[in-house]
Amino acid sequence: EVQLVESGGGLIQPGRSLRLSCTGSGFSFDDYPMSWVRQAPGKGLEWVGFIRSKVYGGAAEYAASVRGRFSISRDDSKSIAYLQMNSLKNEDTGMYYCTREGGNGDSHYWGQGTLVTVSS
Amino acid sequence: EIVLTQSPATLSLSPGERATLSCRASLSVSSTLAWYQQKPGQAPRLLIYGAFNRATGIPARFSGSGSGTDFTLTISSLEPEDFAVYYCQQRWLSGTFGPGTKVDIK
Repeated sequence: EVQLVESGGGLIQPGRSLRLSCTGSGFSFDDYPMSWVRQAPGKGLEWVGFIRSKVYGGAAEYAASVRGRFSISRDDSKSIAYLQMNSLKNEDTGMYYCTREGGNGDSHYWGQGTLVTVSS
Repeated sequence: EIVLTQSPATLSLSPGERATLSCRASLSVSSTLAWYQQKPGQAPRLLIYGAFNRATGIPARFSGSGSGTDFTLTISSLEPEDFAVYYCQQRWLSGTFGPGTKVDIK
């Protein structure tokens, strides 16, 4: 059974940094691109970015709203994808979901999310 | 950035009725469009990928169609568990989600 478990969320002050982790199990982690999607309280879904599998170069892409502040990496030996969030803003508050993507970038599997609250 | 527009914002229907949800892209996304269902307090669930392919375990009452800029999600006969919010997503150029359509009980 495919499982994705996010961790690392919490309350953080504006301007600070936070790293989220996504641990995958039940599949060959290194074969798949992984993405992050967030959802502000009471709002819709927002694509944050994704990282390709190493076979396809392992590069990451980001939404314009987070480019330059957020970075995605992966440690295939531990089956973990990371979302490093720097210079956090109040508007970064929300639930952050990790997903496993399919061939066209569609998110076939989702974690239950980890909540990030940016507030002073 | 490709912008996705979903209509209507809210669809009020009764169980057993047919639901037709629309997603329009500001530029062609070929067939790289997916649909997701989200219920309160839950993570989204993939329903349709590649515009018309049902994801694993998704009932046949859900179907997707379209290509280019205009896409449709159809629920042929609403079951009580189908009342939820539905999002479309493109990954043709970077990634964006539509604002969602809420299907609620009339």
